[in-house]
Amino acid sequence: EAQVTQNPRYLITVTGKKLTVTCSQNMNHEYMSWYRQDPGLGLRQIYYSMNVEVTDKGDVPEGYKVSRKEKRNFPLILESPSPNQTSLYFCASSGWTSGGQVDTQYFGPGTRLTVL
Amino acid sequence: AQTVTQSQPEMSVQEAETVTLSCTYDTSENNYYLFWYKQPPSRQMILVIRQEAYKQQNATENRFSVNFQKAAKSFSLKISDSQLGDTAMYFCAFVEETSGSRLTFGEGTQLTVNP
Repeated sequence: EAQVTQNPRYLITVTGKKLTVTCSQNMNHEYMSWYRQDPGLGLRQIYYSMNVEVTDKGDVPEGYKVSRKEKRNFPLILESPSPNQTSLYFCASSGWTSGGQVDTQYFGPGTRLTVL
Repeated sequence: AQTVTQSQPEMSVQEAETVTLSCTYDTSENNYYLFWYKQPPSRQMILVIRQEAYKQQNATENRFSVNFQKAAKSFSLKISDSQLGDTAMYFCAFVEETSGSRLTFGEGTQLTVNP
């Protein structure tokens, strides 16, 4: 089954304790992204990756790091989490259609993060 | 800067009736793609419908259809024969062809279908 998986699904942590949220896709997609969802703001992009070893900042990158060492994995790292990073996080992936068009983004199930 | 605006934070509709959700966007590019995503209480993001800007014909997917007005930069979603399972948050989003995966989302519209 084609899917994007995220772990953990729920996480409660304390300020300053480093954490990693993993994301993996089995569709051989080149593009992967991280978003955060906050009430009234929709989804905002944190970082994205066009392919292995190619990453770039989205709209709200402060306080986050990413890496893309393998095509299927795109972990999100919070080195020193703060309460304002409490949010719902989504990983997504997409590729190109055979006609060279941007394909639809497929989303993981989300990770609910609470930073105390 | 890319922006997407959904001016209706909440809407409600009676079961079996039709409802239209509004979305406007701003871009300086000519080639882009528009989407409506549904987020039910499970929080999963589910693609409802997709529209390529170069296509004049409005996309349809069963009970879901769009009214795409490129000159007005408007992309509304019509849900016909509303069902209780349509209750969800709906997000309008678009991506410019040159940016690859950089989706820009609107704020969302919470739709409630009443029995």
